Amino acid sequence: DAKTTQPPSMDCAEGRAANLPCNHSTISGNEYVYWYRQIHSQGPQYIIHGLKNNETNEMASLIITEDRKSSTLILPHATLRDTAVYYCIVRYTGFQKLVFGTGTRLLVSP
Amino acid sequence: DTEVTQTPKHLVMGMTNKKSLKCEQHMGHRAMYWYKQKAKKPPELMFVYSYEKLSINESVPSRFSPECPNSSLLNLHLHALQPEDSALYLCASSQDRALQDEQYFGPGTRLTVT
Repeated sequence: DAKTTQPPSMDCAEGRAANLPCNHSTISGNEYVYWYRQIHSQGPQYIIHGLKNNETNEMASLIITEDRKSSTLILPHATLRDTAVYYCIVRYTGFQKLVFGTGTRLLVSP
Repeated sequence: DTEVTQTPKHLVMGMTNKKSLKCEQHMGHRAMYWYKQKAKKPPELMFVYSYEKLSINESVPSRFSPECPNSSLLNLHLHALQPEDSALYLCASSQDRALQDEQYFGPGTRLTVT
């Protein structure tokens, strides 16, 4: 699996958009980008994934650059409950392993 | 029901004890996983079961013994653990290994080895 690089921490004001970057410059053509988050003392939670097109669901949007070397997770209106560690993971399709990096600790403040 | 349940929530055991962690899902998922998470670290994969057969063992010491009695249940048997095995043990499930499907995680069992 390709390695990912994320900033260790970010801050966001409640109600504003949170944009979490991820670098995956060694990603291969068959690898998807996945995002999970882990709220304190809970199990990780799936957010979204994509291959090369931008994706949106009820939780977030995923923007992948054209060369696929980086991506951004967007939480459009962050709330206090979005405070968590966010993990960006690249994963070969059909491969069961999730290799978590160190993630970004997002703190949403009032 | 998109829930993965784990019991117990907390477990304290001595180094000579034998205990088991239990994980259950009723989503019809055919892949189940055990992860270990040390404090302030990301989860690390330990085992993967696919269609009730062990498919991945990430070189985990034999004092950890997984078991998948049926498609809904996953156990982790613990014996002769060390204090450094204290961690949060997470169970997860997913629909099918061939698909790019997401993993659903349980809340974890916080294990302390004394």
